[in-house]
Order: sequence, then structure tokens, then C-alpha cells
Amino acid sequence: SQTIHQWPATLVQPVGSPLSLECTVEGTSNPNLYWYRQAAGRGLQLLFYSVGIGQISSEVPQNLSASRPQDRQFILSSKKLLLSDSGFYLCAWNRGSYNSPLHFGNGTRLTVT
Amino acid sequence: DAKTTQPPSMDCAEGRAANLPCNHSTISGNEYVYWYRQIHSQGPQYIIHGLKNNETNEMASLIITEDRKSSTLILPHATLRDTAVYYCIVRVKGGTQGGSEKLVFGKGMKLTVNP
Repeated sequence: SQTIHQWPATLVQPVGSPLSLECTVEGTSNPNLYWYRQAAGRGLQLLFYSVGIGQISSEVPQNLSASRPQDRQFILSSKKLLLSDSGFYLCAWNRGSYNSPLHFGNGTRLTVT
Repeated sequence: DAKTTQPPSMDCAEGRAANLPCNHSTISGNEYVYWYRQIHSQGPQYIIHGLKNNETNEMASLIITEDRKSSTLILPHATLRDTAVYYCIVRVKGGTQGGSEKLVFGKGMKLTVNP
């Protein structure tokens, strides 16, 4: 069966510090990968998605970037965190075929202080 | 993608059926209806999806009206663990750009199952 792992589960970082969140998927190959962010009391906002290694699409301009160095690895990064980067970050995957549900990781709670 | 409208919250008694409504009046012919739920501080969990026929799985049933402008998610015997925020989303068949999906999650509906 397929599993998705995200880490760390919680993170407290000072303003201006770098960020690296990692997500890996097991049990499937060539998945579509996604990064979402959820601000408190709000819905999920799609940040990035990837249909293959090295292929990243950004949905909103922001202080963050994403990379996909391996087929089942998706990394969310920032060189300098802002207070507004605080939130709940979720990685997700699905198969490349239509009608494939998204499957989410358990998320990373990021607090920028 | 079409928008969906859900009530902000709903209560249900434990053991009873929970019927969660969703309006998607602007849905187009190739858009699926998906349901997810999110328990506090966890990632959203896929529940069920459908295009125009009613669907049932081990978690829930999805009833889609004939005109497809609304749907109802049914949890047949709600338990306390079903307390969560439920999201109704419409999604284009085939997605975009090779199958990637720009799912738009709204605020969802908070279901509270009471003992």
C-alpha cells in the first residue's frame, strides 16, 4: 500500500531563518505531488504541484520554493522565513490518471516567531 | 472549477445517520464531486467521490441529485470519531497539465457528533 511521510510534525523558527520541509511517498511511482498551506480557520491553499522530477508549478507568488530531486520526494523551502509563513503545511500525492483522489500527509505545523 | 457551498456547521447524535449537504449549482458535465474530511491537526482524508451516480464505500454514501447541482454525503451510523471538518469539492475530470489537480478547498463544514 502507499504511504506518505512528512516531517517534522511541528517546527518553530525565527523570522529570517531558512526552512526545509520534506515529504516522501512510498509504494507508488511517478506520483503527482503537492504542497498545500492551511492558515488558521481557513481552507487549504495550493502552493506548488509537480508532475515529475524537476517539474514544479507554482500557484501563488510567495516567499517559498519547492523542489523534487527524486521521483517520490518533494521539498518545500525558504531562504528567509516571514511571520506570514506560519501555518499548517500539507503534502499530498495522487496518481497521474484522472479520477485519482488526493492523499495527504499529516502535516507540519510551522510557527515563525 | 465550480464552487461549492456548505453550511458552516452541523450536529448529529452518535449512532444516527449524518446527512451532510453540498450545493454545486455551477458544476459542469465533466466535474466530479469529492468529499474529504479533516480531523483537528491532521491532514485531510479522502472519503468518496462521484460523477453522477450514487456511490457507496466502507466509509460513506454519496447521493448526487439528477441535475447534479447538489449532493449529500451520508455517514450511516455516526460515531464520535466522525467529528471533523468535511469538505465538498468539485474537480475537473482529467485534471490539468498531465493529471495534476488544483483542488480548491473552502472552509468546509464542521460536523460535531454528540454522545
